[in-house]
Amino acid sequence: AQSVTQLGSHVSVSEGALVLLRCNYSSSVPPYLFWYVQYPNQGLQLLLKYTTGATLVKGINGFEAEFKKSETSFHLTKPSAHMSDAAEYFCAVRGGFQKLVFGTGTRLLVSP
Amino acid sequence: EAGVTQFPSHSVIEKGQTVTLRCDPISGHDNLYWYRRVMGKEIKFLLHFVKESKQDESGMPNNRFLAERTGGTYSTLKVQPAELEDSGVYFCASSQDQKENTEAFFGQGTRLTVV
Repeated sequence: AQSVTQLGSHVSVSEGALVLLRCNYSSSVPPYLFWYVQYPNQGLQLLLKYTTGATLVKGINGFEAEFKKSETSFHLTKPSAHMSDAAEYFCAVRGGFQKLVFGTGTRLLVSP
Repeated sequence: EAGVTQFPSHSVIEKGQTVTLRCDPISGHDNLYWYRRVMGKEIKFLLHFVKESKQDESGMPNNRFLAERTGGTYSTLKVQPAELEDSGVYFCASSQDQKENTEAFFGQGTRLTVV
C-alpha cells in the first residue's frame, strides 16, 4: 500500500527566502508523485508531478521537486518565496485504481 | 472551459439530517472521484466512478454515504443521517482517462459542518 508523510504541518519563511517542504513516500511499485496547492477559498491545483524520466521536475510558479528513490523523498522547493505563495501544500502518491493518497498537508506562511 | 464545480460551497446541518452534495465534472471526463478531508487530517479517497459505474468505493466510510452518477455526468454524494464526525471538506475531482500520469482536476470543495 502507498502512503505519504509530510514533515511539518506549518512552515514559516520570510519573503525572498528558500522554500523547502518535505515529503516522504512509501510505495510497493514505482511511484507516481504529485504536489498540489490549495490557495485560500480555492480548490486543489496541481503544481507538478513525477511519473518517469527526469528526477528533477519543474512546476508552475517557480516550484520544483526532486524524486530521490534512495531516500524515498519528493521534497518541494522554491529558491525565493513570494507573499502569494502562502497556501497549503499537499504531497500525493498514486495508489491503486488511479486514486491519490495524500499527506496531511503543510501550510506555508510567508512574512514580509 | 469550466472546471470541476461543486455545490453547495458550504453546508451546516444538524445531526440526523440529510445532506446531498453535488459535483459537476469537466465535460468529457469519464472519471470522477470523491475525497474528504476531516479537520487537520489528510485528504482521503472515498470513491471513483468511471462513467456511471463505481470502479472503486473502498474509501466509503459506512452505509450512511451513498454516491450516484446517473447518466455518467454529474454526481451526488448523500449523507443520511449525518453524524458529527462527517464534518469536513468534501472534494470532487475528474480526469479524462485512467492513465497513471493523467492529472486529476479538483473542485473547490464543499465544507460540511454537522452540529
